[in-house]
Order: sequence, then C-alpha cells, then structure tokens
Amino acid sequence: DQQVKQNSPSLSVQEGRISILNCDYTNSMFDYFLWYKKYPAEGPTFLISISSIKDKNEDGRFTVFLNKSAKHLSLHIVPSQPGDSAVYFCAASVPSGGSYIPTFGRGTSLIVHP
Amino acid sequence: DVKVTQSSRYLVKRTGEKVFLECVQDMDHENMFWYRQDPGLGLRLIYFSYDVKMKEKGDIPEGYSVSREKKERFSLILESASTNQTSMYLCATGGWDNEQFFGPGTRLTVL
Repeated sequence: DQQVKQNSPSLSVQEGRISILNCDYTNSMFDYFLWYKKYPAEGPTFLISISSIKDKNEDGRFTVFLNKSAKHLSLHIVPSQPGDSAVYFCAASVPSGGSYIPTFGRGTSLIVHP
Repeated sequence: DVKVTQSSRYLVKRTGEKVFLECVQDMDHENMFWYRQDPGLGLRLIYFSYDVKMKEKGDIPEGYSVSREKKERFSLILESASTNQTSMYLCATGGWDNEQFFGPGTRLTVL
C-alpha cells in the first residue's frame, strides 16, 4: 500500500502561471518532506524540503505547504517556466538508525507550455 | 559539489547473467542507497547502507544483493538477471540530514 501518493500522473500549465503539485501521505510518523525534480536520463535533484514543525517553506519561485492534519503537502511554482518541465517526486521520511529513509511517491510529470 | 557516479549509463545483459552495478561518491557520506525507477511506480528502495559492511533491505530486495567494502563505493548485484529486472537503477548518497544526491542512473535491459 502506498504511503506517499501523488494522484496526478501529469499536469500541464501555461508559462507564467502557477503550477501546483500535490502529495498525500498516510504515515503520521513521517517528520520530514522533500521534493525532487527529475529530467529524462538524469538522476533526481533535490528541490525543496519542509520539516513537520513548519507549515510553509519558500525558496525563490518554489514554495512547499504542509497540512499535517490533512496529511497533505503541495509544491507551488510561481511563475512556471518551460525549464520547469520535468517529473516531480514527493518524498517523506522517518528517522531510522540515525539516518532518514525516504519513501517516494510515483511522481507527477509537469509540462509547462510556452 | 557532491559527485555520485555510476559505472555505466546503459547496460544490456542476458537472462541468467550476473550483473554488477557500481556507484562511487566523493563526499564522504555515510549513507548510500540503491533505487529502481519504473514508469508509473516511482522510485523504489532496493537496499541501503549506513556504514561500511552494513546493509539494510529496502522495499524490494528480492533478486538483489549489495556490497559496501569501502565508504565511497556501493555495489548492487543481480545474481541471476531476469527480464523483470529491466529498469532504471539509481544510486544515491546522503549525510545525516535528509537530502539525497543521486547519480545519473543506469538503464539496464535484460534480454
């Protein structure tokens, strides 16, 4: 059973508009959440993260919102650019043996049209 | 800059062959991970290691083994490759915080 769900396999947005990517989780023990971006034929790269003690984290055009009561987080990209077209993975982690082991969602493919 | 390298970008093997995928990192990170990525299934953790000679099973370890003899190197081994192991394999490394750094991936095809 999926503990981290990205229910939209794909999203299409016009350049300059807002992109909103959603992620739901079921395990209340998750205490850290991350977003990764992946271009074809490359490994994922870290984008932004948020701790469970916060409800918002912002980095330039990227903002992540966390709603713990709803077990939901979202990534907002404003304004969207064609270079943002990629697959976005949501990840949630719990501490394990002193490290953090992430569980990834299945990804959302974002296409930003010029 | 963290650099994570994987031994091959593309690999074609035959069913039953033993396959070695190697990953090397240059940032002295304790933790190393092997994932496979399949369309519609996201990233699934195969094995991870948080110290030399230490290994832990991930979500899908069946058919795989790993080796970590040196801190910078983490190898994934397919003892007898099967067609259902055709996939993109991604190595990642990380310190004691949460962020992971990924290699470029190895696209493995098993015929």
